[in-house]
Amino acid sequence: DGGITQSPKYLFRKEGQNVTLSCEQNLNHDAMYWYRQDPGQGLRLIYYSQIVNDFQKGDIAEGYSVSREKKESFPLTVTSAQKNPTAFYLCASSRGEAGNTIYFGEGSWLTVV
Amino acid sequence: GNSVTQMEGPVTLSEEAFLTINCTYTATGYPSLFWYVQYPGEGLQLLLKATKADDKGSNKGFEATYRKETTSFHLEKGSVQVSDSAVYFCALSEGTSYDKVIFGPGTSLSVIP
Repeated sequence: DGGITQSPKYLFRKEGQNVTLSCEQNLNHDAMYWYRQDPGQGLRLIYYSQIVNDFQKGDIAEGYSVSREKKESFPLTVTSAQKNPTAFYLCASSRGEAGNTIYFGEGSWLTVV
Repeated sequence: GNSVTQMEGPVTLSEEAFLTINCTYTATGYPSLFWYVQYPGEGLQLLLKATKADDKGSNKGFEATYRKETTSFHLEKGSVQVSDSAVYFCALSEGTSYDKVIFGPGTSLSVIP
């Protein structure tokens, strides 16, 4: 079945450490996205990518980095510069055209301990 | 700029009650409109969509009609079940930029037996 796979589902990080969240899709979608969701709140866009080797900052990119070396993969690194990283992170993809449906992965919970 | 406004939650209903979740939008052109649903601890799933005025999206007993004259896309269901308990997000996508997907803040629904 086609879909978006995020891993790990749960991750604990010590302060000062970088951590990378994986996102893989087999939908052959051009566009991929990372969103952050805090408890009881909506989604905020971190980064997005329309094509391989290209990505753009979203609304809250500070303290995060991404890469898009392959069409199917869009990993997110939460760096030590992110002051409040504890949140639920959602990866998504779409065909990349206006009006297209965005499909989401199951999400990754990151907790800083 | 474009925006999406949803009724504030949480909403609590008894099983078999009628559901309405209001959504209004602001957009400069002709957006596509979506309702997504998020079950606890999971990613978002597309519930229904409409791409032009007067279109009605429907799925799993839920319906929403694209009303351009009132810039609304209210979600309705005639008889809710306990399994409908979730957070519902209204969203719009407009223009030629793939990143222009704007989500509302979400409305939490709890259905009690």
